[in-house]
This record gives sequence, C-alpha cells and structure tokens, in this order.
Amino acid sequence: QVQLVQSGGEVKKPGASVKVSCKAFGYTFTNYGVTWVRQAPGQGLEWMGWISTSNGNTNYAQKLQGRVTMTTDTSTSTAYMELRSLTSDDTAVYYCARDRQGGYWGQGTLVTVSS
Amino acid sequence: DVVMTQSPLSLPVTLGQPASISCRSSQSLVYSDGNTYLNWFQQRPGQSPRRLIYKVSNRDSGVPDRFSGSGSGTDFTLRISRVEAEDVAVYYCMQGTHWPQTFGQGTKVEIK
Repeated sequence: QVQLVQSGGEVKKPGASVKVSCKAFGYTFTNYGVTWVRQAPGQGLEWMGWISTSNGNTNYAQKLQGRVTMTTDTSTSTAYMELRSLTSDDTAVYYCARDRQGGYWGQGTLVTVSS
Repeated sequence: DVVMTQSPLSLPVTLGQPASISCRSSQSLVYSDGNTYLNWFQQRPGQSPRRLIYKVSNRDSGVPDRFSGSGSGTDFTLRISRVEAEDVAVYYCMQGTHWPQTFGQGTKVEIK
C-alpha cells in the first residue's frame, strides 16, 4: 500500500540547516509530485512548496524563497526538503504528501530549533 | 494568494447529530481543465492529516459515507451526517487550484 516514511526528528541551533527525507513505497514515484507542509506547535497547516518527481520542477512558498530547496532521488524514490538559516519560527512538524492534492501523508518530522 | 476562510473555528457537537463546516475562497477554484481542486482533510490529535474529500465531493478510499462534501466556485461545505466519537479532530479545507496552495485555518470538532 502507499506509504511515505519520513526521517526522524532533529534538533538544530539557530542559523543551522536541516534536511528532511521522505521515502515513498507502494506506487510509481515519478507519477506523482511531492508537496511539503509544516505545522508549528498548536498552529494550522502551512504549504511550503511542491516538486515534480518527473522533471524536478519546483514551486516554493514566497516566504521561504531563498531558504528552502526541494529535491528528489528517483533511484531510491525519496524526496528531500532542506531548510537553511533556521530560526525559532521554523520549529514545527514537517510533512511530505503525495501530489498537489495531498492524497497520502508521511508521519511527520519534528524539527526543533533552539539554542 | 487565495485566502481560505473556514467557519466556525470551533464546533461542539452532540454524538449522533450532524455537523457542517463552511469554507470560502477569495477567488474561484475552478481550474482551466474544468475541475475544482478543493480538498478536505481531517487531523486527529497527534496524527498526520488525512484527506477525506478531493475535488469538492469525492470521498477517498476508506472514508465513511457519513462524510460528504459539496459546493462550487468559492463556497464549499463539509458535512458529517451523524458525528461519532472518532470524528473528534481538526478539519481543514485546502485549495489546489492556484499557486501557492492554501489551507483554511482549521475547524476543531469536539463532543459536547
């Protein structure tokens, strides 16, 4: 069955970078793009961006432009989201989801930014 | 950006009674292909979001038929015909028509 399995939680210092992975199972990876969404503690869902797994095209949220990079490795059916210059405002659970319409979601990765 | 406005933000419901959540968009969600990419998600406490409804009114596999979606253009509704204890969650609408995709603020459904 379709599954998205994300990497484990991370604790980072302000100014550092984090890279979260999302490995897909149960479907042809290159047939569906990957959306990244984050959720700060006690808050709603925030769309971060989307990557095409067939050609690598990306579309990022304007507020994250310049700090976020989304990539894929089709040989391992894995998507990656890297966020740089972290601040405490980036503390959140980060989710990957299949395609633009969010049909399936990963389990989430908690990224904590703290000095 | 398209603004998605949900109401109410909190919805206390009696078990077995119906519930309804409204979602309004700041512009039409009809895409050039004729489809309307309005989705509904359920997020139970401590869990990842789960999609319930896609393209306004299509239930995802395994979603109980007490959940239904309706609407068009800029005005959409998620209905639960008879609320059960397992429906306690936050519900989000999300538009996938325009870039960037945007979510509503979320509606917390709880049992009275």
